[in-house]
Amino acid sequence: GAGVSQSPSNKVTEKGKDVELRCDPISGHTALYWYRQSLGQGLEFLIYFQGNSAPDKSGLPSDRFSAERTGGSVSTLTIQRTQQEDSAVYLCASRTDRDYTFGSGTRLTVV
Amino acid sequence: EDKVVQSPLSLVVHEGDTVTLNCSYEVTNFRSLLWYKQEKKAPTFLFMLTSSGIEKKSGRLSSILDKKELFSILNITATQTGDSAVYLCAASTSGTYKYIFGTGTRLKVLA
Repeated sequence: GAGVSQSPSNKVTEKGKDVELRCDPISGHTALYWYRQSLGQGLEFLIYFQGNSAPDKSGLPSDRFSAERTGGSVSTLTIQRTQQEDSAVYLCASRTDRDYTFGSGTRLTVV
Repeated sequence: EDKVVQSPLSLVVHEGDTVTLNCSYEVTNFRSLLWYKQEKKAPTFLFMLTSSGIEKKSGRLSSILDKKELFSILNITATQTGDSAVYLCAASTSGTYKYIFGTGTRLKVLA
């Protein structure tokens, strides 16, 4: 595709439910990142995928968070047993040699 | 711990003013610094800086990196209301593709 596509754009969920966020990166981009942006905060690194290498999961805030990337393309970020503090915008980015291209994000609201 | 600090946190100016946004970094094995403009959810790329003292310019925006003093500035001349946004800078390190973001500078340009 022409850009990084994320879905859904908005998600409201009840506390305790699981959610899945999807990222479709730019075709051919081997590097894919997930970031989280809480209100008034900078971008918080969550996880990084590079080709077939083991992902860098060092930014995942708890074991309720997981992500996978199937076939080196689409990625899914899963949050289990959501908490109110998980409310944020979740941004996905894929990378060229020069810079990132970000998706438009998923705004997650946990009520 | 690697960190990126931006200042000021917020800034209000009038159309036509010139603004300078600051980004300082403490990053092990620094590789490059990126500037982004974030208006809604997704940041858009402005500049990538790898060499010290070389100004990059795009229209009314320009940026320069000082690798000795570990900072970068983003200048916007003849500001317009459309420049209102959060400006993010991010630093990366050699050997890893993890970018560390600052919390951003919120710029508001009044008509």
